Amino acid sequence: GDSVTQMEGPVTLSEEAFLTINCTYTATGYPSLFWYVQYPGEGLQLLLKATKADDKGSNKGFEATYRKETTSFHLEKGSVQVSDSAVYFCALSSPYQKVTFGTGTKLQVIP
Amino acid sequence: GAGVSQSPRYKVAKRGQDVALRCDPISGHVSLFWYQQALGQGPEFLTYFQNEAQLDKSGLPSDRFFAERPEGSVSTLKIQRTQQEDSAVYLCASSLGVLAGQETQYFGPGTRLLVL
Repeated sequence: GDSVTQMEGPVTLSEEAFLTINCTYTATGYPSLFWYVQYPGEGLQLLLKATKADDKGSNKGFEATYRKETTSFHLEKGSVQVSDSAVYFCALSSPYQKVTFGTGTKLQVIP
Repeated sequence: GAGVSQSPRYKVAKRGQDVALRCDPISGHVSLFWYQQALGQGPEFLTYFQNEAQLDKSGLPSDRFFAERPEGSVSTLKIQRTQQEDSAVYLCASSLGVLAGQETQYFGPGTRLLVL
């Protein structure tokens, strides 16, 4: 079945550092790929998405590119802020839309 | 409101009690999903509705779990004879439909269930 593997956290970075959170997936067909973010005490929010190979999703300075050849969807940001501290979930959706999530990566940004 | 709402936000139940969790999806959204999120884990799929039809309930962990969406809008997840292992956050999500471009799911804030 479908699965998502993302790097384990927690990840601790200093403010303005470069962020990469790795994500790889296994799926049949051509899934859509997502990054969701969960801020402390809040619900899941869609951060960005890509629906086909080579698409780049971007939002709030975060980017991820759908790489079919490596089955990856790594999340990057050039300069993180304290306000980016949260748990980030990589996810994919199957053809009839059930979303399969990774286990989440906690990011802590220190001033 | 514009988003998915869930109630109650918090529920404490004694082992053996029945609970009912409500989800109000975004108006006009055809698809509705329930997920269970254990502490420190990603959400796990429970069940999926398209309008009032429950098309997939493969993720429901036991026959104590039951979900319905009788009029194709509001949905209720019911857990009978709750057990301690049912303690989790229960998330509801909705999406516009099944066509490409409609598949993005929008999540509610969740109901945190604690079974004592």
